[in-house]
Amino acid sequence: ETGVTQSPTHLIKTRGQQVTLRCSSQSGHNTVSWYQQALGQGPQFIFQYYREEENGRGNFPPRFSGLQFPNYSSELNVNALELDDSALYLCASSPTSGGAYGEQFFGPGTRLTVL
Amino acid sequence: GQNIDQPTEMTATEGAIVQINCTYQTSGFNGLFWYQQHAGEAPTFLSYNVLDGLEEKGRFSSFLSRSKGYSYLLLKELQMKDSASYLCAVRSYKAAGNKLTFGGGTRVLVKP
Repeated sequence: ETGVTQSPTHLIKTRGQQVTLRCSSQSGHNTVSWYQQALGQGPQFIFQYYREEENGRGNFPPRFSGLQFPNYSSELNVNALELDDSALYLCASSPTSGGAYGEQFFGPGTRLTVL
Repeated sequence: GQNIDQPTEMTATEGAIVQINCTYQTSGFNGLFWYQQHAGEAPTFLSYNVLDGLEEKGRFSSFLSRSKGYSYLLLKELQMKDSASYLCAVRSYKAAGNKLTFGGGTRVLVKP
């Protein structure tokens, strides 16, 4: 069974640029959530996708957008990058949305640095 | 909204026991999770509590009191590899989907 994978591992961008981060969910998982984790802090929920539809969003501006594909992989897009967007971006998948247990399995993350 | 508090840092000795407390405020509580995160790595699932009481998994145990909005993670027989951040996360059935709200994490340093 393949776990959650993310690409790229590291990325350096400059202010104002756009970035796309990718995530492949664990086999059999149809729900993908994205989190932003600043250094020394806990992950912050960005949004979740369930069966290709956005299913909940955290307190992030519209320049953070996403997609989920029929194979349940997902993309996170960030436009007009700001210095504060520098963080570890984590993708997590789970078998169902809002299930009674539904622990989330995290990928290794993408470390984004905005200069 | 949801608010989760946990200590920033704790230090303990190899072979000892450490208890990491987590207090939370949420409406529509639907489970509390503990994750372990080594520096530069992804969080890995440790435990889940939705009913009051103690859940034991080997060297790790987690306790929940819903009436007090309180949980703790107990790490026994500490090993050097247990040096990591421990994240407390709460799920609410009032939040769309499977969203987890995380605390800031507790960094545990295990000394020889």
